[in-house]
Amino acid sequence: DAKTTQPTSMDCAEGRAANLPCNHSTISGNEYVYWYRQIHSQGPQYIIHGLKNNETNEMASLIITEDRKSSTLILPHATLRDTAVYYCIAFFSGGYQKVTFGTGTKLQVIP
Amino acid sequence: NAGVTQTPKFQVLKTGQSMTLQCAQDMNHNSMYWYRQDPGMGLRLIYYSASEGTTDKGEVPNGYNVSRLNKREFSLRLESAAPSQTSVYFCASRVGTSGNNEQFFGPGTRLTVL
Repeated sequence: DAKTTQPTSMDCAEGRAANLPCNHSTISGNEYVYWYRQIHSQGPQYIIHGLKNNETNEMASLIITEDRKSSTLILPHATLRDTAVYYCIAFFSGGYQKVTFGTGTKLQVIP
Repeated sequence: NAGVTQTPKFQVLKTGQSMTLQCAQDMNHNSMYWYRQDPGMGLRLIYYSASEGTTDKGEVPNGYNVSRLNKREFSLRLESAAPSQTSVYFCASRVGTSGNNEQFFGPGTRLTVL
């Protein structure tokens, strides 16, 4: 499974877009990029995932570079409830089931 | 539809005691997982079950055993608890082994071993 690298922490003003980067330079062709978040000590919550194309859902947008070596999660209008730790992971399709969560990015949304 | 449920929510054990953490999902998922999360750390995989009847070790399996009781339930057992096992334990499930489906997590069990 590809290793992912994220900044330790970020701040974002309430109402503005939050752009969270992730580097996954060793990702292989069949590994999906997933984003989860964890609010306080609750169980992680799925946000979005993608393979090659950009994706959008009701929560966020995922932009994956053409070479697939990095991606950006965009929360279009951050609210205080979006304050959380955001995890970017690369998941291997088939075979070994391991999904490795690193320490993620602590996003603080500021009023 | 309750999703993934875990019991108990909190537990305090003394060193050497045993206990079983229970996990159940009602989404008809094939794959189930147990993670632990230590303070300030990410999640580490303990054991997983790709499908009913199979279990495999993850990153940190020592000191734990698991049972995939049926398709719905996946339990984690600590035979002789140690202070190093103080952690928050999360159970998760997925439809299957394809990379194109997400994990759903339970609310966690907060375990303290004295």
